[in-house]
Amino acid sequence: EAQVTQNPRYLITVTGKKLTVTCSQNMNHEYMSWYRQDPGLGLRQIYYSMNVEVTDKGDVPEGYKVSRKEKRNFPLILESPSPNQTSLYFCASSLTGQGRDNYGYTFGSGTRLTVV
Amino acid sequence: AQTVTQSQPEMSVQEAETVTLSCTYDTSESDYYLFWYKQPPSRQMILVIRQEAYKQQNATENRFSVNFQKAAKSFSLKISDSQLGDAAMYFCAYRSVPGNTPLVFGKGTRLSVIA
Repeated sequence: EAQVTQNPRYLITVTGKKLTVTCSQNMNHEYMSWYRQDPGLGLRQIYYSMNVEVTDKGDVPEGYKVSRKEKRNFPLILESPSPNQTSLYFCASSLTGQGRDNYGYTFGSGTRLTVV
Repeated sequence: AQTVTQSQPEMSVQEAETVTLSCTYDTSESDYYLFWYKQPPSRQMILVIRQEAYKQQNATENRFSVNFQKAAKSFSLKISDSQLGDAAMYFCAYRSVPGNTPLVFGKGTRLSVIA
């Protein structure tokens, strides 16, 4: 089944304790992205990656890191989480080719992160 | 930068009735995609319908249809014969062509369905 797998689904942590949210896709997609969703703000892009070893900042990158060492994986790293990073996080992927069906995102199931 | 505006934070509809959710967007580009995503309480993001800007015909998927007005930069979603399972948050989204650009979301409309 074509999917984006995101783990964990729920995470409660303390301020300053490094954490990683994993994301993996099995569709050979070039483009991967992380979003955070907050009430009244919709979904905002944190980081994205066009391909292996190519990453770039989205709209709200502060306090986050990513890496893309393999095409299928795109982990989100919070090196020193703070309470304002409490949010719902989504990983998503898509193709970037010229085919007209290639522009929709496939989303992971989301990670609810609480930083206390 | 492109922006997407959903002016209705909350809407409600009676079961079996029709409801229209509004979306406007701002862009200077001529080639792009527009999407409506549904997010039920399970939090999963589900693609409802997609419209390609170069196509004049409005997209339709079963009970879901759009009214795409390119000149007005408007992209509304119509849900016919509303069902209890349609209750969710709905997000309008925009993506430029080519596909190495982000999906830009509106802030969402929460739809309640009244039995």
